[in-house]
Amino acid sequence: DTAVSQTPKYLVTQMGNDKSIKCEQNLGHDTMYWYKQDSKKFLKIMFSYNNKELIINETVPNRFSPKSPDKAHLNLHINSLELGDSAVYFCASSQGGGSGGLQETQYFGPGTRLLVL
Amino acid sequence: ELKVEQNPLFLSMQEGKNYTIYCNYSTTSDRLYWYRQDPGKSLESLFVLLSNGAVKQEGRLMASLDTKARLSTLHITAAVHDLSATYFCAVDLNYGGSQGNLIFGKGTKLSVKP
Repeated sequence: DTAVSQTPKYLVTQMGNDKSIKCEQNLGHDTMYWYKQDSKKFLKIMFSYNNKELIINETVPNRFSPKSPDKAHLNLHINSLELGDSAVYFCASSQGGGSGGLQETQYFGPGTRLLVL
Repeated sequence: ELKVEQNPLFLSMQEGKNYTIYCNYSTTSDRLYWYRQDPGKSLESLFVLLSNGAVKQEGRLMASLDTKARLSTLHITAAVHDLSATYFCAVDLNYGGSQGNLIFGKGTKLSVKP
């Protein structure tokens, strides 16, 4: 059983296109996240949603728009793709709620490898 | 701004040897995580350290946290090839009172050679 899944796994597209990445978790978690891992393997949080509400919105171009139709899904839509958007995008989830403890452990999806040509 | 620094960034070690990876962070936090990433794969949670003096062990890996020194260590005992991977520490920034804003170190790429 896949806990956190992402589609697609690979995405190759041209500059200027619009694309979406989907994420689903079946862990019953309340909080979901998007991270970007660049070519140097540096990981940076982009967004976080708790129960469909945006709680973390780091400095990310507004071409990136997250959408959470329900607490099990957090999709990432990217408009007008640029070369610099090429990276691996990871979705993650945690129980959240701010209660601390092991509930805050984030479980990561397999990643979506985006290449913009 | 919270900074998380790991060292070394690259570590080549022989099987059977011991070594320690260090993770320093620049502001107060009481929540630190260690993750493992194999090449081309996702991140796997190894340890969650939630208080000063916390120590967790799993197999050949042991992690500790000193919140006063703002330092966590990941100690590898008698390394084996299967431990080759990139290890990340991450500190929770406690963003706006809601946890979950993890700031990651740059990772330590560990290579264990026979």
